[in-house]
Amino acid sequence: EAQVTQNPRYLITVTGKKLTVTCSQNMNHEYMSWYRQDPGLGLRQIYYSMNVEVTDKGDVPEGYKVSRKEKRNFPLILESPSPNQTSLYFCASSPGLSYEQYFGPGTRLTVT
Amino acid sequence: GQSLEQPSEVTAVEGAIVQINCTYQTSGFYGLSWYQQHDGGAPTFLSYNGLDGLEETGRFSSFLSRSDSYGYLLLQELQMKDSASYFCAVRDSSYKLIFGSGTRLLVRP
Repeated sequence: EAQVTQNPRYLITVTGKKLTVTCSQNMNHEYMSWYRQDPGLGLRQIYYSMNVEVTDKGDVPEGYKVSRKEKRNFPLILESPSPNQTSLYFCASSPGLSYEQYFGPGTRLTVT
Repeated sequence: GQSLEQPSEVTAVEGAIVQINCTYQTSGFYGLSWYQQHDGGAPTFLSYNGLDGLEETGRFSSFLSRSDSYGYLLLQELQMKDSASYFCAVRDSSYKLIFGSGTRLLVRP
């Protein structure tokens, strides 16, 4: 089944404790990106990658890191999480710059 | 700055037609797309307009006017399952995808 998977789906952590949210897609898509969703603010792009080893900042990259060592994986790293990073996170992929992005199920992160 | 404006909430009756508008201001423009998101779910792609005019996909249609920086999503024969949030999105000149803050559609019986 064609899909984007994210892990974990739910995470509660404490300020400053490094964490990684994994994202994997099995559709051989070149374009992958991370979004955060907060009430009233819609989806805001954190980082995106147009291909392996090519990443770029979205609108809200501060406090986040990403890497794209393989085409299928695009992990999101929070080196020192803070409470303002409490949010719902979505990973998405698409074949090139096609607008039909496929979203993962989301990761709900709470930082206390 | 870059922005997309859409109404925060729309209410309509089952079987009716509803239009959700989106106006945008972005640096560069590579088409307008629409996504649907049910509560607790992930966004799913609905439609894309790269050129001016109307695109139809079943009960859903989407329109774009690049000269007016405006588009809309039209939902016909509304069903209860159409109750969801709807987001417009624009890709700018640096390939970032910018979303509107979403329109919550409530369909009443």
